[in-house]
Amino acid sequence: GAGVSQSPSNKVTEKGKDVELRCDPISGHTALYWYRQRLGQGLEFLIYFQGNSAPDKSGLPSDRFSAERTGESVSTLTIQRTQQEDSAVYLCASSLVGGDGQPQHFGDGTRLSIL
Amino acid sequence: AQTVTQSQPEMSVQEAETVTLSCTYDTSESDYYLFWYKQPPSRQMILVIRQEAYKQQNATENRFSVNFQKAAKSFSLKISDSQLGDAAMYFCAYRKGGKLIFGQGTELSVKP
Repeated sequence: GAGVSQSPSNKVTEKGKDVELRCDPISGHTALYWYRQRLGQGLEFLIYFQGNSAPDKSGLPSDRFSAERTGESVSTLTIQRTQQEDSAVYLCASSLVGGDGQPQHFGDGTRLSIL
Repeated sequence: AQTVTQSQPEMSVQEAETVTLSCTYDTSESDYYLFWYKQPPSRQMILVIRQEAYKQQNATENRFSVNFQKAAKSFSLKISDSQLGDAAMYFCAYRKGGKLIFGQGTELSVKP
């Protein structure tokens, strides 16, 4: 497809379980970003991958959160031992390169609900 | 740390009228980018307009324009000839060093 693809669209899980969220960036985009959006709030930066450079993990809220990206393709965001406060929409974005002027193209997000 | 503030949680405009959404930010940098994104109920973030801080000229995109006041650290969005399809959440964002820093958003409703 032409846009950023995220799966699943919705995920409901029990507190304490691990979850994996997937992001397929636009083909050829070297930069990939994860954001979290709590209900009624703006987006919070989580992590940023740029090519083969070490990722910027400065936004990850705890060591229960981790993300991987293989080359310039798919990324997965993993949340271990989920808590109710992890309930949010998780949005992925990609851009052609990591420069600040490059627009970030967003996916439709994964809505995560922790019971 | 950089912050972005949108002081209007909700705004309303009559169809075909003009509305201005406010945004202020805090940074010690001199070169950066500012963005306005639109988020309809579908959740997808749509880029509306982009402004480079080193450019004094205000960006425009069809019915959308900005009033960028660098010294005041203000970046407002003006929507002219408002349409029903403009109804959405609007987020102001700052970018320096890769990541976007977002404001809390303004929910815009358009009355027919």
